[in-house]
Amino acid sequence: GAGVSQSPSNKVTEKGKDVELRCDPISGHTALYWYRQSLGQGLEFLIYFQGNSAPDKSGLPSDRFSAERTGGSVSTLTIQRTQQEDSAVYLCASSLRPGGNYGYTFGSGTRLTVV
Amino acid sequence: GENVEQHPSTLSVQEGDSAVIKCTYSDSASNYFPWYKQELGKRPQLIIDIRSNVGEKKDQRIAVTLNKTAKHFSLHITETQPEDSAVYFCAASKGAKGNTPLVFGKGTRLSVIA
Repeated sequence: GAGVSQSPSNKVTEKGKDVELRCDPISGHTALYWYRQSLGQGLEFLIYFQGNSAPDKSGLPSDRFSAERTGGSVSTLTIQRTQQEDSAVYLCASSLRPGGNYGYTFGSGTRLTVV
Repeated sequence: GENVEQHPSTLSVQEGDSAVIKCTYSDSASNYFPWYKQELGKRPQLIIDIRSNVGEKKDQRIAVTLNKTAKHFSLHITETQPEDSAVYFCAASKGAKGNTPLVFGKGTRLSVIA
């Protein structure tokens, strides 16, 4: 596509429920990144994919968080048993190649609210 | 791992004045330093970047400087305009030396007062 698409744009869920966030990167971009942005905070790295593999999962905050990428394209970030502290904007970005030498294109994010 | 510190957290300037935002990084192997602008309610967008083989880069009213010895880099915006009001993030990575993701600073909220 022309840009990075994320869905849903907003998600309100009850504490304890599971949620799935979707990211559709720019066609041909091999690297895909997930970041989390809490209110007034910076961009916290979660995980990145090179193709379908995830060389770096170091940012996932707990084992309730997981992500996958299929076909070198769409990625899904899953949060199980959501907690109120999971409330944040989840941003996805893609770049032509891995390695920060290539600029990231961000999606508009999914605003997750856990009530 | 890499750690990026950014200052100030908020900055207010009069329209037409200059704004400077400073960042420091911890990993001497980092060699790619981009800056992103995030307007209210919108996605971060790359505005300028610099690689460690240069000390300064300029694009119209925006310039970035890099001091590898001191491990700090700065964003300079001249002749500020109200549309420059946004949150600015610096970032660092090892780029081609390693497939490491960007590590971001916590951001600077710039307000340009007309």
